[in-house]
Amino acid sequence: GQQLNQSPQSMFIQEGEDVSMNCTSSSIFNTWLWYKQDPGEGPVLLIALYKAGELTSNGRLTAQFGITRKDSFLNISASIPSDVGIYFCAGDNTGTASKLTFGTGTRLQVTL
Amino acid sequence: GAVVSQHPSWVICKSGTSVKIECRSLDFQATTMFWYRQFPKQSLMLMATSNEGSKATYEQGVEKDKFLINHASLTLSTLTVTSAHPEDSSFYICSESGGRSEQFFGPGTRLTVL
Repeated sequence: GQQLNQSPQSMFIQEGEDVSMNCTSSSIFNTWLWYKQDPGEGPVLLIALYKAGELTSNGRLTAQFGITRKDSFLNISASIPSDVGIYFCAGDNTGTASKLTFGTGTRLQVTL
Repeated sequence: GAVVSQHPSWVICKSGTSVKIECRSLDFQATTMFWYRQFPKQSLMLMATSNEGSKATYEQGVEKDKFLINHASLTLSTLTVTSAHPEDSSFYICSESGGRSEQFFGPGTRLTVL
């Protein structure tokens, strides 16, 4: 099935640094979701975006719904060790999250 | 968001045996639940949509006779991997939307087939 492209694929950063990652698609989506997955666990929803151009924050996390509806960005400010994990974007066009298309994931590792 | 549990959290079985994985919605009556499979270092791939009281809808390439889904109540969906083989070893995760425009995932079940 279709997958969304995420970049970077992986990144090492130092604690305290800001992180940016993005997700791009060849087709438009009406909803963008960002998840974080820790090793051996299911993904946890971080932020949901429903409108083109929307900018939404959740603590140190900020995500934006691209104006073209073909991309989304996630920023993490002042990273801490517990930010380590894999971040997935997911797009949906059903309005009820009944058909999510997932991104390839960005693996984040934070060094002290 | 919705709270989803899975059981077991991990299972090891012999090749040729069948394994049942349970997915429970703890705080929402879910008419629809979703089953995903995730191989190491890969993303989540939707296997099927589980519909309460009716047949599941399978994604292209997923064998419905091998991955049996039963959604007999509004809080429980089960996935049975029949005649499991080593290539079925994977991380199986269920989810449901809790009536919202997002999906909430269970903790996953690690299946290892020897």
